[in-house]
Amino acid sequence: KQEVTQIPAALSVPEGENLVLNCSFTDSAIYNLQWFRQDPGKGLTSLLLIQSSQREQTSGRLNASLDKSSGRSTLYIAASQPGDSATYLCAVLTGANNLFFGTGTRLTVIP
Amino acid sequence: DAGITQSPRHKVTETGTPVTLRCHQTENHRYMYWYRQDPGHGLRLIHYSYGVKDTDKGEVSDGYSVSRSKTEDFLLTLESATSSQTSVYFCAISEPQLAKNIQYFGAGTRLSVL
Repeated sequence: KQEVTQIPAALSVPEGENLVLNCSFTDSAIYNLQWFRQDPGKGLTSLLLIQSSQREQTSGRLNASLDKSSGRSTLYIAASQPGDSATYLCAVLTGANNLFFGTGTRLTVIP
Repeated sequence: DAGITQSPRHKVTETGTPVTLRCHQTENHRYMYWYRQDPGHGLRLIHYSYGVKDTDKGEVSDGYSVSRSKTEDFLLTLESATSSQTSVYFCAISEPQLAKNIQYFGAGTRLSVL
């Protein structure tokens, strides 16, 4: 069974700092990996999707990398802002179109 | 929320009563999903549908049933609600034929079973 782990569970950084969130998964047979953002009491917003054949994707200040063979992905956030405060979830898509989620990293950016 | 509406958004019910949650989409996506989110567990798949009247079980399907009679609607039913089913329920949609096969999520339904 696919298991997804995110470290750290929580992170506080001062505004302007660059930061990295980590995601690892146990079964490398994935179709893609998605990073989501979740604000308190809200649904999930898709940030980046990396296909299994890709190494990285970028959107604005966000950069996600994927190393399928080692079962790892990172989400890099440049020049963090208070508005980036949220929980970030990583999920991998396996056969039968099922997404397996990590438990998330709760990020707080301090002004 | 990518044209996904979940109803109700909040519900409080008593143990043993039946509960139905509704997910409605306007995107004409083929796949629809129900997840539950609990502290310490992340999101876990309950059931999913890959077309009208085509459904399958996910990781935590016990105590839940689903129905999809139209492309746009996917219903989740708790036949006899228990306190362990207190959770936040999310509906998602996707269309695998699209290049990226991204799953889009609704705003969630917060269910409390007393």
